[in-house]
Amino acid sequence: DGGITQSPKYLFRKEGQNVTLSCEQNLNHDAMYWYRQDPGQGLRLIYYSQIVNDFQKGDIAEGYSVSREKKESFPLTVTSAQKNPTAFYLCASRFRGRQPQHFGDGTRLSIL
Amino acid sequence: KNEVEQSPQNLTAQEGEFITINCSYSVGISALHWLQQHPGGGIVSLFMLSSGKKKHGRLIATINIQEKHSSLHITASHPRDSAVYICAARERDSNYQLIWGAGTKLIIKP
Repeated sequence: DGGITQSPKYLFRKEGQNVTLSCEQNLNHDAMYWYRQDPGQGLRLIYYSQIVNDFQKGDIAEGYSVSREKKESFPLTVTSAQKNPTAFYLCASRFRGRQPQHFGDGTRLSIL
Repeated sequence: KNEVEQSPQNLTAQEGEFITINCSYSVGISALHWLQQHPGGGIVSLFMLSSGKKKHGRLIATINIQEKHSSLHITASHPRDSAVYICAARERDSNYQLIWGAGTKLIIKP
């Protein structure tokens, strides 16, 4: 079945460490997105990519980095520069045109 | 002030009740999305609207472009409808980026 796979579901990080969240899709979608969700707030866009080897910053890109070397994959690295990384992270993808976004099940990141 | 506002923030109702969740936006949009987030965190797209009304099973979504307002209705609500419902506006000429509401947490009691 086609879908978006985020791994791991839960992730713990020590302060000062970088950590990478995985997002893979087999939907042949062109665009991919990373969102951060905090309690009581709407989703906030971190980075997005419309095509392979290209990506743009969203509203809260500081302290994060991404790559898009393959159409299927859009990993997000939370760097030590991100001062408050504890949150729920959602990956989404979308086919071209006016299609809605499809979401993964999310990764919950916590700081030890 | 948020560009997309939902009300209520929290809603608890008894099984069988008719549910209405509201979404108001202040920007020009090309479409409005309603999504459902399950307790585990996964998000499912319910509707994408640019005008009028859409229905899927017990769910109905309406939008009034002039008033910049959309509603999501659930008829004959059931405990399995318990979730967070989120509206998101696709701003006109925004390259398909979405502006997200904070969500409405719905609990349906048996």
